[in-house]
Amino acid sequence: AQSVSQHNHHVILSEAASLELGCNYSYGGTVNLFWYVQYPGQHLQLLLKYFSGDPLVKGIKGFEAEFIKSKFSFNLRKPSVQWSDTAEYFCAVEEYGNKLVFGAGTILRVKS
Amino acid sequence: DTAVSQTPKYLVTQMGNDKSIKCEQNLGHDTMYWYKQDSKKFLKIMFSYNNKELIINETVPNRFSPKSPDKAHLNLHINSLELGDSAVYFCASSQGQAGGETQYFGPGTRLLVL
Repeated sequence: AQSVSQHNHHVILSEAASLELGCNYSYGGTVNLFWYVQYPGQHLQLLLKYFSGDPLVKGIKGFEAEFIKSKFSFNLRKPSVQWSDTAEYFCAVEEYGNKLVFGAGTILRVKS
Repeated sequence: DTAVSQTPKYLVTQMGNDKSIKCEQNLGHDTMYWYKQDSKKFLKIMFSYNNKELIINETVPNRFSPKSPDKAHLNLHINSLELGDSAVYFCASSQGQAGGETQYFGPGTRLLVL
């Protein structure tokens, strides 16, 4: 079965700093990959997803993620974070038929 | 307009009790899910239903029984609650069950078993 590792559990950044959150999944083949975000007091929502085509995926609010098949990775990036990006970020891989396997999440705190 | 709603938001109960959590989606989706988020924050799928039919049934104790009266509702009934059932339970829905579909999550139900 798939497993997902998110390397950083807590990240603290100042506004305007660049962000990269690591995500690795355990085995290859055709995969669909997702980043979900949970802002304080809000529902978990989709940030971006990859299921085919260009391995560099752009999502909402200036986020992007790059799928590197050879490294089993799908890292999330943002060139300049804002205070409003404070949230918990979850990486997920689709095992089959919409069955998502999630990582443990990364809590991002952006200091203003 | 809440897309995926769950009730109750918080549930505190004694070991051995039976409880239910309700989920409703108004997105017109065909597929619904239940996830459990444990103390280590891992979200793990428990069940999924497509148009009232059970599709995914992970290794979950049979004390947990999902019920889908129609495709807009997926309720979770838990018998004989145990301490280890304490967790946050999330409901979600998606348009269908094809690959790559976005899942829309509810706010979660925080269950505490004493």
